Amino acid sequence: DTGVSQDPRHKITKRGQNVTFRCDPISEHNRLYWYRQTLGQGPEFLTYFQNEAQLEKSRLLSDRFSAERPKGSFSTLEIQRTEQGDSAMYLCASSPTLAGGLGDTQYFGPGTRLTVL
Amino acid sequence: AQKITQTQPGMFVQEKEAVTLDCTYDTSDQSYGLFWYKQPSSGEMIFLIYQGSYDEQNATEGRYSLNFQKARKSANLVISASQLGDSAMYFCAMRLLYGNNRLAFGKGNQVVVIP
Repeated sequence: DTGVSQDPRHKITKRGQNVTFRCDPISEHNRLYWYRQTLGQGPEFLTYFQNEAQLEKSRLLSDRFSAERPKGSFSTLEIQRTEQGDSAMYLCASSPTLAGGLGDTQYFGPGTRLTVL
Repeated sequence: AQKITQTQPGMFVQEKEAVTLDCTYDTSDQSYGLFWYKQPSSGEMIFLIYQGSYDEQNATEGRYSLNFQKARKSANLVISASQLGDSAMYFCAMRLLYGNNRLAFGKGNQVVVIP
């Protein structure tokens, strides 16, 4: 039983470049979440998918950010024209959909650490 | 909107001692869940324990227990018999039952266990 996986684990890029991250959720989890965590802060919600449908987007998700989850399995998060302020840990989480809702624990992957030079 | 407050400075705890991490939250909703996660230096967020707003008993999971005081809107984490591997950041988080599915996190508590 594998957990959530993310690739790459680390990414260094130059300002203005595009980057793409991948997240593979726990199999049979139909909910997938992206969060961003900057130094000294807790994770902040970016977006959420139920199956292939993107149901919520934070205002943190500017036009330069786009996320997809084709076929309701893995997800990608793309950042276009990266800026130094995009440097952060990008965390992916998945959860099942249980009756009652409150107990839908989100399980996190190891994260992708992005550094924009 | 949900708000989670964790204001303790970094804590040093002796191995085998217990430690309590404070968490207060603010919401006008009655239906919510509270979560604690551990984040070691490797970066992965590890789920520890969950408490539902309607749960009458305090949650326990092995050495972790949650001291839930609904009227005070606090959900403190107690780690008993600390081990060196407990050294990490600990985050309190909340999710509402209705409205959205996002977790709102606090800023975390740093714990260092010393031998």
